[in-house]
Amino acid sequence: DARVTQTPRHKVTEMGQEVTMRCQPILGHNTVFWYRQTMMQGLELLAYFRNRAPLDDSGMPKDRFSAEMPDATLATLKIQPSEPRDSAVYFCASGGTGRNNQPQHFGDGTRLSIL
Amino acid sequence: SQKIEQNSEALNIQEGKTATLTCNYTNYSPAYLQWYRQDPGRGPVFLLLIRENEKEKRKERLKVTFDTTLKQSLFHITASQPADSATYLCALERRTGANNLFFGTGTRLTVIP
Repeated sequence: DARVTQTPRHKVTEMGQEVTMRCQPILGHNTVFWYRQTMMQGLELLAYFRNRAPLDDSGMPKDRFSAEMPDATLATLKIQPSEPRDSAVYFCASGGTGRNNQPQHFGDGTRLSIL
Repeated sequence: SQKIEQNSEALNIQEGKTATLTCNYTNYSPAYLQWYRQDPGRGPVFLLLIRENEKEKRKERLKVTFDTTLKQSLFHITASQPADSATYLCALERRTGANNLFFGTGTRLTVIP
């Protein structure tokens, strides 16, 4: 089965360091989503791409977070500088056409701990 | 902003019984509603989607209902099994032409053998 692949699976780093998370969407999917999951807030949408173009990043703190899709097989989420409150699990998901009523396919996430 | 509430954080039921999970929402009405399953350490996995003009959808032992008047969706697992133990998330999607989902915080279901 085709899967969304995220790396690294775990990341522990000190406050102030740059963190880069990577996602390989399912081949042929043209929409990519970045979510953050915490116990308190649940799953929150951070950014959304269609055909590699950012459509919505209103959920992302712009001063420290950035999301890009250098090519169709790679999406990145960067945090610089990182802060302890960024500790969470970050999920990437991809979808087929980006239209309504499409299921999203999630990776297994990057568990980020900022000390 | 949209608020999505799932009935309880945790639900324990006996094997063989029907589990019923609730998803309530406020503010705007979604065009679609999706249900996902999440196991510990894994990403959510899509289960079912129901449209606003559909009252009920079934897939094997799963059934979803959607009541736009009550602003509520119910998710049923019949003949529950210990393997059904997981967190279940509902997600709302607006009729915007995009595919943005707003997730509830989930209900952790434990099926006791």
